[in-house]
Amino acid sequence: DAGVIQSPRHEVTEMGQEVTLRCKPISGHNSLFWYRQTMMRGLELLIYFNNNVPIDDSGMPEDRFSAKMPNASFSTLKIQPSEPRDSAVYFCASTTSGGVEAFFGQGTRLTVV
Amino acid sequence: RKEVEQDPGPFNVPEGATVAFNCTYSNSASQSFFWYRQDCRKEPKLLMSVYSSGNEDGRFTAQLNRASQYISLLIRDSKLSDSATYLCVAQGGNTPLVFGKGTRLSVIA
Repeated sequence: DAGVIQSPRHEVTEMGQEVTLRCKPISGHNSLFWYRQTMMRGLELLIYFNNNVPIDDSGMPEDRFSAKMPNASFSTLKIQPSEPRDSAVYFCASTTSGGVEAFFGQGTRLTVV
Repeated sequence: RKEVEQDPGPFNVPEGATVAFNCTYSNSASQSFFWYRQDCRKEPKLLMSVYSSGNEDGRFTAQLNRASQYISLLIRDSKLSDSATYLCVAQGGNTPLVFGKGTRLSVIA
């Protein structure tokens, strides 16, 4: 099993540009989570999906952030327009319904200059 | 107030020492608890679940005190390879995992 796959691993972009982060969950997992990690705020849940349906997006900072899960094997997190304060590591994680362990991808390190 | 709170550390301990971390959670409806480990510039990975009766996995012991709403992790005979950030995690029912900010441990030779 390849685990949760995220791309890109690193992204450097200029303020105002659109950024798209991608995630492929583990096959058979039906819950997918997007987290953001910074030194100041730790690991924060942005949004999670169950069976491709967004369940709770209350953690999404503002309208500049959007997430989609068009099918069970793919999700995107988009930031438009990006700002320097969006700089962080963005993790995608997946789990089975009612599963104990969340499996994380290696993260995307985003730097907005 | 953050739902799960931990002392950020760092805890700097010599090899062979015993070290303990505590964590408190604010949501009394939380039902499941975990410790995750995160190495520098890596993703978090499950270290162990925490059961009401307490549980042990080799040198690691986790305990839960529901009345006081805190969770602990004890590491005995610490190794250099234990150096990492330890994340306390709570989960209530069907809600997703809520992570603490983590406690950084450095084991020194």
